[in-house]
Amino acid sequence: EPEVTQTPSHQVTQMGQEVILRCVPISNHLYFYWYRQILGQKVEFLVSFYNNEISEKSEIFDDQFSVERPDGSNFTLKIRSTKLEDSAMYFCASRAGAGQYFGPGTRLTVT
Amino acid sequence: AQSVSQHNHHVILSEAASLELGCNYSYGGTVNLFWYVQYPGQHLQLLLKYFSGDPLVKGIKGFEAEFIQSKFSFNLRKPSVQWSDTAEYFCAVNADRDDKIIFGKGTRLHILP
Repeated sequence: EPEVTQTPSHQVTQMGQEVILRCVPISNHLYFYWYRQILGQKVEFLVSFYNNEISEKSEIFDDQFSVERPDGSNFTLKIRSTKLEDSAMYFCASRAGAGQYFGPGTRLTVT
Repeated sequence: AQSVSQHNHHVILSEAASLELGCNYSYGGTVNLFWYVQYPGQHLQLLLKYFSGDPLVKGIKGFEAEFIQSKFSFNLRKPSVQWSDTAEYFCAVNADRDDKIIFGKGTRLHILP
């Protein structure tokens, strides 16, 4: 069964550094998403992406965040200057029709 | 704005007990409803979903959920739980014209062997 994959599984970075989280959505899916889950809190929507542009973003997704689909398979989330409060589990998701399928997540730790 | 509330944060049951996890949502329009499960150390998996039609939805691993529109509820049930059902369960909703999924805070289910 096809799956969404994410790399790395765990990223540790220093405050102020840039990080890029990578996702490979399921191959025939056209809609892509990023969510995050701060430890002990609920999963929160960050951004949705379709047809090479952002279709919706949340208040969390400020100018420090950006997304890109650099080629036909990858979907990336970049945080330009990480803050301590960016420490969280970041989930990528994709869908073709109904129902989003989630990747295993990248645990980002900002020190 | 849409929101989802899950009544129980932590549930402990013995094997073979029956399970019902409560979920209520707030949104006035048409919604799609989901239950996701996250087993220890694993990623979110779709357990079941409701889009339209029969309000009683059957999912994987013997789970089912019932959409009661008048109560804005989508409770998850399983008649007889197993130790392997130990996981965190998330109720989620998205408005029919919207794309993002709004999650509840999750219910941590612990099954005693």
